Amino acid sequence: AQSVAQPEDQVNVAEGNPLTVKCTYSVSGNPYLFWYVQYPNRGLQFLLKYITGDNLVKGSYGFEAEFNKSQTSFHLKKPSALVSDSALYFCAVRDPLDQTGANNLFFGTGTRLTVIP
Amino acid sequence: EAGVVQSPRYKIIEKKQPVAFWCNPISGHNTLYWYLQNLGQGPELLIRYENEEAVDDSQLPKDRFSAERLKGVDSTLKIQPAELGDSAVYLCASSSGTGGVLLDTQYFGPGTRLTVL
Repeated sequence: AQSVAQPEDQVNVAEGNPLTVKCTYSVSGNPYLFWYVQYPNRGLQFLLKYITGDNLVKGSYGFEAEFNKSQTSFHLKKPSALVSDSALYFCAVRDPLDQTGANNLFFGTGTRLTVIP
Repeated sequence: EAGVVQSPRYKIIEKKQPVAFWCNPISGHNTLYWYLQNLGQGPELLIRYENEEAVDDSQLPKDRFSAERLKGVDSTLKIQPAELGDSAVYLCASSSGTGGVLLDTQYFGPGTRLTVL
């Protein structure tokens, strides 16, 4: 069965500093990985995804994520944090070898990012 | 292009009352999802539609929850009767379906926040 873990409930970073939001996964085969962001009282917004190819994926709003197969990780990064990046971030995984055949998306519990001015 | 539309945004009801949520997906998106998001958790899939067919409803509590997507466009999720534990945010998402479920990116609506008293 597939699963995804976000080990940090809360991440605080100073404005202008680099930020990292961590995600690790567990799947049977090669994972399809996604990052979403959720602002207060809003739905989830797609940031980026990794399907195959280059391990470094670039997404919206200057975010990028690095797929690391040996560490089963897909950490979200940004070189310089903005106050407006403060939100809830969700990592999600889809397992192409899902035995149920549903190939559904499974979300982590989320990490709240606070960027301090 | 309009995003996924959901209504109402907020709903407060007494326990044992019925409630219904409505979702209109992005135009042309064949696949529609309903998710449940409890406080402090990631979204959990309730049901997935491919056009008007429910292809995965394994996580839908069928004793009190029902859903329909009669013409393969908008959808309604119903709870009857509601229980205290149903208080949560109900998210609708859609995807184009053209790349197959594995490659599809899901786009989310703002959600309906349900409070059961």
